[in-house]
Amino acid sequence: LAKTTQPISMDSYEGQEVNITCSHNNIATNDYITWYQQFPSQGPRFIIQGYKTKVTNEVASLFIPADRKSSTLSLPRVSLSDTAVYYCLVGENGRDDKIIFGKGTRLHILP
Amino acid sequence: DADVTQTPRNRITKTGKRIMLECSQTKGHDRMYWYRQDPGLGLRLIYYSFDVKDINKGEISDGYSVSRQAQAKFSLSLESAIPNQTALYFCATSARLVTSGSPNEQFFGPGTRLTVL
Repeated sequence: LAKTTQPISMDSYEGQEVNITCSHNNIATNDYITWYQQFPSQGPRFIIQGYKTKVTNEVASLFIPADRKSSTLSLPRVSLSDTAVYYCLVGENGRDDKIIFGKGTRLHILP
Repeated sequence: DADVTQTPRNRITKTGKRIMLECSQTKGHDRMYWYRQDPGLGLRLIYYSFDVKDINKGEISDGYSVSRQAQAKFSLSLESAIPNQTALYFCATSARLVTSGSPNEQFFGPGTRLTVL
């Protein structure tokens, strides 16, 4: 199973761009990189998924270098409501039984 | 996600009692999961099911059992609850993978906060 490492916590200010980096040195060829967001007392919510290069949607961007040993979730112009825990997961699509939710990164947005 | 519901939302019980947590989904997904989350920690997989009557153990299945009698429902039972099973429990669903290139996401319910005294 591909293990991921991400910062325990981060602080930022409203209006800033926030980048959260995740390391996954032993990512396998068939593995995708997925990020989830979790607000207090709620279930996690899918944000974005990618395999290589860059993926962008209405919420975030995901940057994946050529070696795929790390990835960066980028949140543009954050607001207070982006305060949450962000999980980086690595695993093969369709094998949800094999993915691991680590402790995630606790992002705190300050006014 | 309103498409995945869990009952009850909160439950306080005593050591030794049998408890059942229910999960229902209207997303039409084949796959369902039960996780537990302890304060400050990530989610750990308890059991999962890829189809009706298909049951598979996850990372921490001891002390738990599940039932999948219908596609839309997946129930989790604690046969004899103990205090260290106090946690937040989440049910999730996902669709069977259609193509390898499509995003494979799980949809989570609102959670059940269980306290075992």
